[in-house]
Amino acid sequence: QVQLQESGPGLVKPSETLSLTCTVSGGSISSYYWTWIRQPAGKRLEWIGRIYGSGDTAYNPSLKSRVTMSVDTSKNQFSLKLRSVTVADTAVYYCARDPGGFDPWGQGTLVTVSS
Amino acid sequence: EIVLTQSPATLSLSPGERATLSCRASQSVSSYLVWYQQKPGQAPRLLIYDASNRATGIPARFSGSGSGTDFTLTISRLEPEDFAVYYCQHRSSWPYTFGQGTKLEIK
Repeated sequence: QVQLQESGPGLVKPSETLSLTCTVSGGSISSYYWTWIRQPAGKRLEWIGRIYGSGDTAYNPSLKSRVTMSVDTSKNQFSLKLRSVTVADTAVYYCARDPGGFDPWGQGTLVTVSS
Repeated sequence: EIVLTQSPATLSLSPGERATLSCRASQSVSSYLVWYQQKPGQAPRLLIYDASNRATGIPARFSGSGSGTDFTLTISRLEPEDFAVYYCQHRSSWPYTFGQGTKLEIK
């Protein structure tokens, strides 16, 4: 079965770039959409964007100017970069497969923006 | 952006009872509506996709209905493990958005 695991720094300074990687195991990354979602503490989930195995992307307009997603099929990984972060970007970040509903999800990783 | 509003915010019920959760969209999402369950400290789990289709491994006591702007998640007979937060999400257009969640708590 497909499993996803997020990795990356848990602490990022304001104005810097948040970088996360999602490693996919148990299946090929090439044939699905893959997505990033975040959840600030006590708030609703927010869709950040998605990427296909070919590299086609779609981003949330509210974050589009700061977001870049990429895929590395040789490593079965996809990545998220969020530039110029502020404290408002503090959240648990999840990666997930998107075959028409997000499933499965990674366990999530807490990223705190603080100096 | 399509806004999803869930009601009630909190639902207090006992095991064995029937739960009915609502999700209303600010404009039609056709049948592109998804339901998730989230327990504390865990990632959300897919329950229902395309408004009424149960995901793999989801018990038959979970069912979804609706189309357009009004959707319902029904849990026919609550089990102790069903007490959690439930979110709806649309995938009708970008950006995908989520509802604010309904907390299902033990009465």
